[in-house]
Amino acid sequence: AQSVSQHNHHVILSEAASLELGCNYSYGGTVNLFWYVQYPGQHLQLLLKYFSGDPLVKGIKGFEAEFIKSKFSFNLRKPSVQWSDTAEYFCAVNANTGNQFYFGTGTSLTVIP
Amino acid sequence: DSGVTQTPKHLITATGQRVTLRCSPRSGDLSVYWYQQSLDQGLQFLIQYYNGEERAKGNILERFSAQQFPDLHSELNLSSLELGDSALYFCASSGDILGNTIYFGEGSWLTVV
Repeated sequence: AQSVSQHNHHVILSEAASLELGCNYSYGGTVNLFWYVQYPGQHLQLLLKYFSGDPLVKGIKGFEAEFIKSKFSFNLRKPSVQWSDTAEYFCAVNANTGNQFYFGTGTSLTVIP
Repeated sequence: DSGVTQTPKHLITATGQRVTLRCSPRSGDLSVYWYQQSLDQGLQFLIQYYNGEERAKGNILERFSAQQFPDLHSELNLSSLELGDSALYFCASSGDILGNTIYFGEGSWLTVV
């Protein structure tokens, strides 16, 4: 079965600091990769996704993620975080041949003004 | 606004009771997914329907059931409720059977007392 690991459970950063959240998955086949964000009290929103092509994908609000196939990783990055980025971030994997989305346990990001 | 509509937004009920959560997918989306989000278990996939038929099953308890109707809306039925069923229940939808990019509703907060 597929699994998704997010090793950082809780990250605290000051505004303007750089962010990198780790995501690793276990699946040997072709996958689609996603990052979702959940702001306090809100639903999950799609931040960015990777299906194929350029392994560096850019999403909304200045976020980007890099797919490294050899490392089974899809880390999320942002050069300079803002207080408004405080949220829960979920990495998700969907196999090209499957229906299920597998979510990581989430990383809680707190940005201090 | 993702276009996925869930009702009710909040629900408080007693143990042993039964509740029904409703989801209307985005216009044109045939796939509906149900997820449970709780503090201790994270985001758990429950079940997926595609065009009225069950396509994938996750960690859904036998006390829970779901269906998707001809108009594509879906209902999640939770019965013999226990305190531990208190959680945020999300519905998500996508346009294809493989679920390439799913969009979440705002969730239904269920509190069992």
